Amino acid sequence: EPEVTQTPSHQVTQMGQEVILRCVPISNHLYFYWYRQILGQKVEFLVSFYNNEISEKSEIFDDQFSVERPDGSNFTLKIRSTKLEDSAMYFCASSEEPGQNTGELFFGEGSRLTVL
Amino acid sequence: GEDVEQSLFLSVREGDSSVINCTYTDSSSTYLYWYKQEPGAGLQLLTYIFSNMDMKQDQRLTVLLNKKDKHLSLRIADTQTGDSAIYFCAEKGTYKYIFGTGTRLKVLA
Repeated sequence: EPEVTQTPSHQVTQMGQEVILRCVPISNHLYFYWYRQILGQKVEFLVSFYNNEISEKSEIFDDQFSVERPDGSNFTLKIRSTKLEDSAMYFCASSEEPGQNTGELFFGEGSRLTVL
Repeated sequence: GEDVEQSLFLSVREGDSSVINCTYTDSSSTYLYWYKQEPGAGLQLLTYIFSNMDMKQDQRLTVLLNKKDKHLSLRIADTQTGDSAIYFCAEKGTYKYIFGTGTRLKVLA
């Protein structure tokens, strides 16, 4: 069964360092998303991406964040200068064209980021 | 603003029914979803309901939708210990999906 894969599963970094989280969405999907979940809290929308550009982003997704689809398969989230409060589980998700079928979001297993 | 609200915790005995409630804000959402998150894992779709439906049944799961009150519920019949997880409702916007706060279901043996 096709799945969304994320790497790394866990990354520990020092405050101020750059971090890149990687995702391989399901191959025929067109829409890509990043969400984050701070421990025990809600799943928060960060950004959606379609046709090589950002469709929508939240207030959390400030200038320190960027996304890229560098090739035909990877979808990356970069945090330029990490802060302590960036510590969270980051989930990548993908969907077919949302207007088609049920628009189900398929999630990866997540990348846990710990900022020290 | 956009907000999807759920109660945080629910505890039931094995074999009983569980009812998890959710209120959402966007009346234009075409689909509403229930996702399940097991410890240390991502979210997996449990079931969904199209906005022109009042009810959907899927084996042990029953989804009820009250569009007037923007209220969604998930009933799990004959709850099992394997149902212990966090359950998220979600509504679909134009370019994003908005998730609720999640309800942690604990099933007591």
